[in-house]
Amino acid sequence: GAVVSQHPSRVICKSGTSVKIECRSLDFQATTMFWYRQFPKKSLMLMATSNEGSKATYEQGVEKDKFLINHASLTLSTLTVTSAHPEDSSFYICSAQLGGQGNQPQHFGDGTRLSIL
Amino acid sequence: SQQGEEDPQALSIQEGENATMNCSYKTSINNLQWYRQNSGRGLVHLILIRSNEREKHSGRLRVTLDTSKKSSSLLITASRAADTASYFCATVPGTYKYIFGTGTRLKVLA
Repeated sequence: GAVVSQHPSRVICKSGTSVKIECRSLDFQATTMFWYRQFPKKSLMLMATSNEGSKATYEQGVEKDKFLINHASLTLSTLTVTSAHPEDSSFYICSAQLGGQGNQPQHFGDGTRLSIL
Repeated sequence: SQQGEEDPQALSIQEGENATMNCSYKTSINNLQWYRQNSGRGLVHLILIRSNEREKHSGRLRVTLDTSKKSSSLLITASRAADTASYFCATVPGTYKYIFGTGTRLKVLA
């Protein structure tokens, strides 16, 4: 159980394009989802916490207008990288948590590798 | 900022040997978790240890937690080539936000 599906797994696009990444909890309802960014051989950097039915909470230094997050249902959160540039190239990973509490494990999607040319 | 620092950053061992990796953190926590990441994939939860627990086992995994030293260790016994991955600790200082450590890249040679 507790499967999280992330789509697409890989995106290659031109500079200036907006890219949408979907994160779905397949067999449970997730009131809270998290979006991370990971650089090669580095740890995960939390970008934002996505709350169903309300605005996302962004971490310091993360541009809200650049990384749009929508959590319209209990099973779907989306991250849109607007007007992407080469420096936005990275590995983006989402996770979802049962109950939204820190005493439960996070369940991760398989990540999206974004390459901006 | 990442509060978890893992040691070593990279570890290479022979199949059958034990692998030990350590995690240190800075603030008080509710629990600490260990995750595994295969190259280019998402993270998989391995084990959760609560702040009032000192040791926990799961199969070939053994996790210890020393809250007085703000440190945890993950021991993988009788390692296999399939254990090759990056391992991250994650601390939960508050109610829901996780802070991931810098990770240990483990390579198990067949």
